[in-house]
Amino acid sequence: GQQVMQIPQYQHVQEGEDFTTYCNSSTTLSNIQWYKQRPGGHPVFLIQLVKSGEVKKQKRLTFQFGEAKKNSSLHITATQTTDVGTYFCAGLPGTSYDKVIFGPGTSLSVIP
Amino acid sequence: NAGVTQTPKFQVLKTGQSMTLQCAQDMNHNSMYWYRQDPGMGLRLIYYSASEGTTDKGEVPNGYNVSRLNKREFSLRLESAAPSQTSVYFCASSEAKTGGTYGYTFGSGTRLTVV
Repeated sequence: GQQVMQIPQYQHVQEGEDFTTYCNSSTTLSNIQWYKQRPGGHPVFLIQLVKSGEVKKQKRLTFQFGEAKKNSSLHITATQTTDVGTYFCAGLPGTSYDKVIFGPGTSLSVIP
Repeated sequence: NAGVTQTPKFQVLKTGQSMTLQCAQDMNHNSMYWYRQDPGMGLRLIYYSASEGTTDKGEVPNGYNVSRLNKREFSLRLESAAPSQTSVYFCASSEAKTGGTYGYTFGSGTRLTVV
């Protein structure tokens, strides 16, 4: 079946270091979404990428969608303790219009 | 503007008991979803509803039933709870339509323990 994978599963960084999580799909996607879930909280939508090769920025966060629309990445520059949480990517397969497939998430810890 | 409201927030059930998790959204979204989240397992789709009056199974539907009562409300029922259903349950909604969907809005979750 269709799968969305994420690496790494866990990442521990010193505050101020950069962080990147990668998302890969077994099939071509119509779009990719990114979510953040703080410990004990619920997932919160961050952004959606639609176009091949698209790059979007939100302050220290940079999101990329691959040229083949099968992979994506989230890069955080100069991490802060407020960045702690689990980051999920979610891909919308080309065969669906309403049901995304969530990746397993990358858990980020920031050491002050 | 409440977004997605889930009740209850916490629940403890005995094996074999039944209960219904309630979810309501006030954003006029077409699609609604129920997920469960277990440690290390990410978010797994239980059931979803693309529009009022329709429901479809997701990845892990066994042991659950749903009802899309109207456009706002989507409930999840456990008929005979089992310890394996101990989890955190999230309801979500989105404005999905042909050509693509938009970001999901999640409720704050129901933490369910079955003993």
